[in-house]
Amino acid sequence: GDSVTQMEGPVTLSEEAFLTINCTYTATGYPSLFWYVQYPGEGLQLLLKATKADDKGSNKGFEATYRKETTSFHLEKGSVQVSDSAVYFCALSDHNTGNQFYFGTGTSLTVIP
Amino acid sequence: GAGVSQSPSNKVTEKGKDVELRCDPISGHTALYWYRQRLGQGLEFLIYFQGNSAPDKSGLPSDRFSAERTGESVSTLTIQRTQQEDSAVYLCASSPNGMTGPWGYGYTFGSGTRLTVV
Repeated sequence: GDSVTQMEGPVTLSEEAFLTINCTYTATGYPSLFWYVQYPGEGLQLLLKATKADDKGSNKGFEATYRKETTSFHLEKGSVQVSDSAVYFCALSDHNTGNQFYFGTGTSLTVIP
Repeated sequence: GAGVSQSPSNKVTEKGKDVELRCDPISGHTALYWYRQRLGQGLEFLIYFQGNSAPDKSGLPSDRFSAERTGESVSTLTIQRTQQEDSAVYLCASSPNGMTGPWGYGYTFGSGTRLTVV
């Protein structure tokens, strides 16, 4: 079945450090891939998405490229800020399975000044 | 409303009691979803509503769990005879038309209800 595996946390980085959060997926069809972010005390928010192979999603300095050959969608940011501290979730939705998302377990990021 | 609203935000209940969790979706969103997030785990899909009907209940973990939606609006998730393993954050989401494929209609999530069963 469909599933998402993402890097275990928690991750602690200094401000301006480079961030990578790994995400790989398994899907039977042609999934769309997403990164969601949950800031403390808030609901999940869509950060970025990619709908087909080789697409790059980007938002707020974050990027992720849909790699079909490695079934990956790693999240990167060149220079993190304290305000990026949050929990990040990788997710997929698959045409073949319709109406739900499959989420990873979430990776907690703390950025220290 | 402006966003997806869930209530209560926190609920502590004794084992064996029943609880009701409420979700108010964005006005006009026809699709509504419930997810559960247990500590250290990913989000688990519970149930999906299109309008007032639930074509996919596959994620409900047991017959103690039920959900309904009325007026193509508010939804209530009911857990009967709560157990400690029911402790989790219960998240509700809504979307305009239930499609999550490449058209990119992402969900809008509520802030969740944190349920603690003691």
